[in-house]
Amino acid sequence: NAGVMQNPRHLVRRRGQEARLRCSPMKGHSHVYWYRQLPEEGLKFMVYLQKENIIDESGMPKERFSAEFPKEGPSILRIQQVVRGDSAAYFCASSPGQGGYNEQFFGPGTRLTVL
Amino acid sequence: GESVGLHLPTLSVQEGDNSIINCAYSNSASDYFIWYKQESGKGPQFIIDIRSNMDKRQGQRVTVLLNKTVKHLSLQIAATQPGDSAVYFCAERYNQGGKLIFGQGTELSVKP
Repeated sequence: NAGVMQNPRHLVRRRGQEARLRCSPMKGHSHVYWYRQLPEEGLKFMVYLQKENIIDESGMPKERFSAEFPKEGPSILRIQQVVRGDSAAYFCASSPGQGGYNEQFFGPGTRLTVL
Repeated sequence: GESVGLHLPTLSVQEGDNSIINCAYSNSASDYFIWYKQESGKGPQFIIDIRSNMDKRQGQRVTVLLNKTVKHLSLQIAATQPGDSAVYFCAERYNQGGKLIFGQGTELSVKP
């Protein structure tokens, strides 16, 4: 019974390159959330997706960042033309549904370093 | 803007003592609250949750208290153990949309 899976665990990119972060939710979960964490800070919400739909992207930077959760396959957080300020840990969480009080289960995170 | 390099509040306790970690949340309309534990290099791990229509909930060795009047949440850990050393975050949910808003976090250090 695997938990939330994220890969890669560590990603190093040079400024201007693209970063692709993947998240496979827990089995049976159809809701995915992405959060970003800077050192010694709490997690900051970025985007909330269901299969093939973006529900809430109020935390996403307006440029360079995009997210998708296709019908088949993992959710992808894509950062184009990365800058040093994008260096952070990116966490994905999943939950079974929106209604009620659904706990969000977190993955181990992807640590992005931009050189 | 975001702050960089802030030091987290730290709570240092002796093994076997009880720990109390506090959190002030921001939105009086939040309906659901969760405490997470995060160890170094890992993702947040669920500890306990509480709905806004409750003021106390107990788990194994942990208790969460909710005071909606002053928008305050606390986590009590009984008989703290070295394995409890971690950063603890409270999180609130504004509406049933699911987005969680995290607090700054408190670093718990347990001395053997």
